[in-house]
Amino acid sequence: GQNIDQPTEMTATEGAIVQINCTYQTSGFNGLFWYQQHAGEAPTFLSYNVLDGLEEKGRFSSFLSRSKGYSYLLLKELQMKDSASYLCAAMDSNYQLIWGAGTKLIIKP
Amino acid sequence: NAGVTQTPKFRVLKTGQSMTLLCAQDMNHEYMYWYRQDPGMGLRLIHYSVGEGTTAKGEVPDGYNVSRLKKQNFLLGLESAAPSQTSVYFCASTTGENQPQHFGDGTRLSIL
Repeated sequence: GQNIDQPTEMTATEGAIVQINCTYQTSGFNGLFWYQQHAGEAPTFLSYNVLDGLEEKGRFSSFLSRSKGYSYLLLKELQMKDSASYLCAAMDSNYQLIWGAGTKLIIKP
Repeated sequence: NAGVTQTPKFRVLKTGQSMTLLCAQDMNHEYMYWYRQDPGMGLRLIHYSVGEGTTAKGEVPDGYNVSRLKKQNFLLGLESAAPSQTSVYFCASTTGENQPQHFGDGTRLSIL
């Protein structure tokens, strides 16, 4: 079957760095997305990886290893506004997104 | 700069009632999707459309119907609502299959 695993909740300190891991099993693979979702709001796109390696976008970076079925989202210089859920989604061979349940990130001052 | 607009934002229904959720996008996107989001679970695809006049079933289509008569609109219908359909419903659209999806603000639906 198809499956996405990511931690349910993580806590970090303002100004620090946090890494949110995601492992996936899909029928075929056409890339991996990360979205941010603040409580009560819509998911918003953060990053897309289809090739192995690290993609950097300001304070956020995303890494992919296709051979290991593994990705992580790295958030640097954490701010209080980064408190949100982070959703990992892998695209299968039919271009359908398989979504993880999300990682709730709590930032403490 | 509306993007994806969902109406209504909230609704309470009684078991057996019917209703239609409307999704409208002004970005000329071909692909549109309806998801439901439940606590502790990932987004689950209900139905999707790859263009005007087309629809297809997703992971959890039972109890729902959809229509895409105009490119900008994607309607989700519940013919006979059940408590198991209590959820937050999100509509999304995109230009292509491996492009980021843009989401509406969601419809919070409670079925009593």
